[in-house]
Amino acid sequence: AQTVTQSQPEMSVQEAETVTLSCTYDTSESDYYLFWYKQPPSRQMILVIRQEAYKQQNATENRFSVNFQKAAKSFSLKISDSQLGDAAMYFCAYPGGSQGNLIFGKGTKLSVKP
Amino acid sequence: DAGVIQSPRHEVTEMGQEVTLRCKPISGHNSLFWYRQTMMRGLELLIYFNNNVPIDDSGMPEDRFSAKMPNASFSTLKIQPSEPRDSAVYFCASSWGGRGNQPQHFGDGTRLSIL
Repeated sequence: AQTVTQSQPEMSVQEAETVTLSCTYDTSESDYYLFWYKQPPSRQMILVIRQEAYKQQNATENRFSVNFQKAAKSFSLKISDSQLGDAAMYFCAYPGGSQGNLIFGKGTKLSVKP
Repeated sequence: DAGVIQSPRHEVTEMGQEVTLRCKPISGHNSLFWYRQTMMRGLELLIYFNNNVPIDDSGMPEDRFSAKMPNASFSTLKIQPSEPRDSAVYFCASSWGGRGNQPQHFGDGTRLSIL
């Protein structure tokens, strides 16, 4: 079965500092997409960033960027200049389901200290 | 543009009662997903519709759960009879395309509590 692993159940970062959340996945596909979602206490699931596996360039969205290592099947999320509003659960997702549906990691709870 | 709309936002009911959760996907999206989120199991896919047709319902836990999508703008998830272990947050999500190359847009979820 396809799996997505987030090995850090909890992380903490000082405001304005940088933090990296890790994610690894298992796949035999060569062309696919990867996603990071943010879930704040309001429980909304918000898309943070998307990476296309055939693109060598790492995706960037403002303060959020990824470090995509295809050979290692690693897809980490870097948050720069952390803000209090970044505090949330972060989920890595890969469309590894039998019908291409998303499989989510267990999540990393990020705390931001003022 | 309106996002995915779910109702109700909260539901508290007694064991044995029927529960119906509702979802309106984003207009133009042809794929709809129902997820359940619990502390123990995280986010689990319950069922996936493409063009209103159920494609994968292998995640539906028991026969007590059923889902329908009578048209492109409406879906329901029903639990009958409900049990305390069904307590969870239920999300509906929609996307264009079903092969996972497009991001899924989530509703705000329904927090279900079965007493």
